Amino acid sequence: EDQVTQSPEALRLQEGESSSLNCSYTVSGLRGLFWYRQDPGKGPEFLFTLYSAGEEKEKERLKATLTKKESFLHITAPKPEDSATYLCAVHYFGNEKLTFGTGTRLTIIP
Amino acid sequence: DVKVTQSSRYLVKRTGEKVFLECVQDMDHENMFWYRQDPGLGLRLIYFSYDVKMKEKGDIPEGYSVSREKKERFSLILESASTNQTSMYLCASRLNRGGRGNYGYTFGSGTRLTVV
Repeated sequence: EDQVTQSPEALRLQEGESSSLNCSYTVSGLRGLFWYRQDPGKGPEFLFTLYSAGEEKEKERLKATLTKKESFLHITAPKPEDSATYLCAVHYFGNEKLTFGTGTRLTIIP
Repeated sequence: DVKVTQSSRYLVKRTGEKVFLECVQDMDHENMFWYRQDPGLGLRLIYFSYDVKMKEKGDIPEGYSVSREKKERFSLILESASTNQTSMYLCASRLNRGGRGNYGYTFGSGTRLTVV
């Protein structure tokens, strides 16, 4: 069974303290890996799609990278407004659905 | 931008009631999905639809049905609501015309359903 595992479950950082979130996945048949941001009580908001190992995408203080078995979401000098749950999802060939991880709840303390 | 609209943000229903959750998207997307989200379990797929009048079971279809009579609208039906269906329900849509960058999911803002 395809699995997506995110770590850590929760992360508290001081404002300006950089860190990384991890998403590991079942390796074979990857079509694309997605990162979403979700604020409390709202639907997930699309951040990035990565397709192949070595690929990187950036948006403001966030950078997503992909290796053959995992993806990282790096957050540089975070601000309190970056506090949210970050979800990773994988799309496998031959399967129409996305498989989601359970997310990392990120809290940035002013 | 694609917009996916869910008809209600919050709903409270009684056990045994028939419940309809409505989702509309405005960008002619072929594929639509219903997920539920629960703490510690993440997002789980209930049903999805490739196109009008087509539907496929997801991972947890028991107790649910769906309807897609028009391309833009995908309805989730709880035939007889139970307390274990209390959850956040999320609708999503996506384009299905191949090519990279063309198949990202867009989510609605969610419906928080409480069954009492």
